[in-house]
Amino acid sequence: GAGVSQSPSNKVTEKGKDVELRCDPISGHTALYWYRQSLGQGLEFLIYFQGNSAPDKSGLPSDRFSAERTGGSVSTLTIQRTQQEDSAVYLCASSSHRGSRQETQYFGPGTRLLVL
Amino acid sequence: GDSVTQMEGPVTLSEEAFLTINCTYTATGYPSLFWYVQYPGEGLQLLLKATKADDKGSNKGFEATYRKETTSFHLEKGSVQVSDSAVYFCALTPNDYKLSFGAGTTVTVRA
Repeated sequence: GAGVSQSPSNKVTEKGKDVELRCDPISGHTALYWYRQSLGQGLEFLIYFQGNSAPDKSGLPSDRFSAERTGGSVSTLTIQRTQQEDSAVYLCASSSHRGSRQETQYFGPGTRLLVL
Repeated sequence: GDSVTQMEGPVTLSEEAFLTINCTYTATGYPSLFWYVQYPGEGLQLLLKATKADDKGSNKGFEATYRKETTSFHLEKGSVQVSDSAVYFCALTPNDYKLSFGAGTTVTVRA
């Protein structure tokens, strides 16, 4: 079946602009995660969704970052007033159940964001 | 806090050579351990995992054993191919779903 998809694959924006990144998880997966992969910080957890709720937003780096999930499926990560330090690859992952330490998370190809 | 340390790369090997990538971890409780692989131009893929001590994960000729006594999860493959060239990430989930990743090891296999 189809894997996790993300769009756009690449995004170039100017400092101060808002951007929206989209994630379409594997059909039927109730848990969804966002991570960020950057040169200086490696791979970092951002936020976890169970259904449409986000019980864990602890990894969001500032209040410029927000995310939502609708219909228990598609998720959008929004970055307002982008800064150059937001440049990174944003990865989305999903897993089949309630999010546990044993579950396999399946990753999308990522969105490469460059803030000029 | 919980963390993963993996050997720094890059690692360059000839085809049919033996590959080992060391990974050690620090975690409270009983983490699950994972190896993810990122092939050029592609996303992260799960390579193998182990969820309790002494478990061995294996896939595509790769193996790793969860060693609680040495807090390690070293990745091994007996005979690498050019197609194994990729970046390999060791990761753990200590108590919940948050994956903590190592820095990644770039492996290049030459024909």
